[in-house]
Amino acid sequence: EAQVTQNPRYLITVTGKKLTVTCSQNMNHEYMSWYRQDPGLGLRQIYYSMNVEVTDKGDVPEGYKVSRKEKRNFPLILESPSPNQTSLYFCASARTSEYNEQFFGPGTRLTVL
Amino acid sequence: GDSVTQMEGPVTLSEEAFLTINCTYTATGYPSLFWYVQYPGEGLQLLLKATKADDKGSNKGFEATYRKETTSFHLEKGSVQVSDSAVYFCALSNAGNNRKLIWGLGTSLAVNP
Repeated sequence: EAQVTQNPRYLITVTGKKLTVTCSQNMNHEYMSWYRQDPGLGLRQIYYSMNVEVTDKGDVPEGYKVSRKEKRNFPLILESPSPNQTSLYFCASARTSEYNEQFFGPGTRLTVL
Repeated sequence: GDSVTQMEGPVTLSEEAFLTINCTYTATGYPSLFWYVQYPGEGLQLLLKATKADDKGSNKGFEATYRKETTSFHLEKGSVQVSDSAVYFCALSNAGNNRKLIWGLGTSLAVNP
């Protein structure tokens, strides 16, 4: 089944404790992206990757890191999480085609205390 | 920059009622337009898309027509069901903008039996 998977689905952590949210897709998509969803703010892009070893900042990259060592994986790293990073996070992938239909993972709900 | 404006919710309808959710956009060039749906507790799913002016996207009884003259992409369904209760997001993608999806804030729909 074609899908984007994220882990964990739910995470409660404390300020400053490094964490990684994994994202993996099995559709051989070149493009991958991370979004966060917050009430009243909608979805905002954190980072994206056009292909392996190519990553770039989105609209709200501060406090986040990513890597793209393999085509299928695009982990999101919070080196020192803070409470303002409490949010619902989505990973997405797409073919690098003109129309950019993106496929989303199920989301990771992160709470930073 | 590019932007998407959706009508605010929540929208509450009775089963079998007609649904319209308005979406207008501002963009340079010729963006692709999308409607995504988010069911409670789930990730986002593509509902329909249109890639050029006058295209009509359709899926599951929902329709939307890409109107360049009014810069609109309104979502319609002739007869809603309880199972259509969800949050609906209008989005655009512009190839000249690193393929980033620009999102509306979402419209919550509740359908009562």
